[in-house]
Amino acid sequence: DSGVTQTPKHLITATGQRVTLRCSPRSGDLSVYWYQQSLDQGLQFLIQYYNGEERAKGNILERFSAQQFPDLHSELNLSSLELGDSALYFCASSVGSSGVQETQYFGPGTRLLVL
Amino acid sequence: GENVEQHPSTLSVQEGDSAVIKCTYSDSASNYFPWYKQELGKRPQLIIDIRSNVGEKKDQRIAVTLNKTAKHFSLHITETQPEDSAVYFCAAASGGSYIPTFGRGTSLIVHP
Repeated sequence: DSGVTQTPKHLITATGQRVTLRCSPRSGDLSVYWYQQSLDQGLQFLIQYYNGEERAKGNILERFSAQQFPDLHSELNLSSLELGDSALYFCASSVGSSGVQETQYFGPGTRLLVL
Repeated sequence: GENVEQHPSTLSVQEGDSAVIKCTYSDSASNYFPWYKQELGKRPQLIIDIRSNVGEKKDQRIAVTLNKTAKHFSLHITETQPEDSAVYFCAAASGGSYIPTFGRGTSLIVHP
C-alpha cells in the first residue's frame, strides 16, 4: 500500500457525461500527478499540481481539468466523455515539486468505462 | 517533443535466464530515465532509475545502462524469477519540464 488513495475504484458512465475522480496523496506529499493508461496510448502524464498550483501539463485534453485543494487532495474532472476516454486513471504523489525526478507513489487507480 | 521507443513488446524467458529490455529516446535534453514495474491489475512502481551523468546503475538483480551518444538505455534483469513477470515501462524526462514520456511497455513472462 503506497498511502495514496483514489476513489472510486471503478466508474461506468455514458458518452457525453461528466465524472470526477478523487485522489488523496500520502501524508506530507505536496505534489499530485495524474496519469492516463489506455491500450491505445499507453501510460501518459496528464498534469501535476504542487501545493495547490498547477506545475506541469502534459497531454491533457481541454475537456479534462484538475485542481488541488487546500487539504492537498486533488480531483480530475472529465467532461463530454467519449468512448476513447475509457482507461485506467492513476494518481501519484511525491514530497516535492521535481516531478518524475523524485520518487512518485502511485495510487491503485480508477478504471473508467465509457459506454 | 520527446519520443520513447521500447522493445520488445513481449519477452518470454525461462526462470534463471537473463532478460534485457531496450529503450531509445529522441530528445538530447532528457537527463533522467526511470523504469517502472506494473504487475497485473496493480499500480506502477519505480524499480530503478538512472541520470545522464551515470553510465550504469545496479540494484541486486536489476541493472540499467545508459548510452547518451546513441540515446538508448536498457534494463537488465538477471536470474529471473516467476515474480518478475510483469509489464515494465521505461520513461525519459528532462530537467526543464519534469514531464515524463513513457515507452509502450514490455510484458515479461518468466516460465518456472
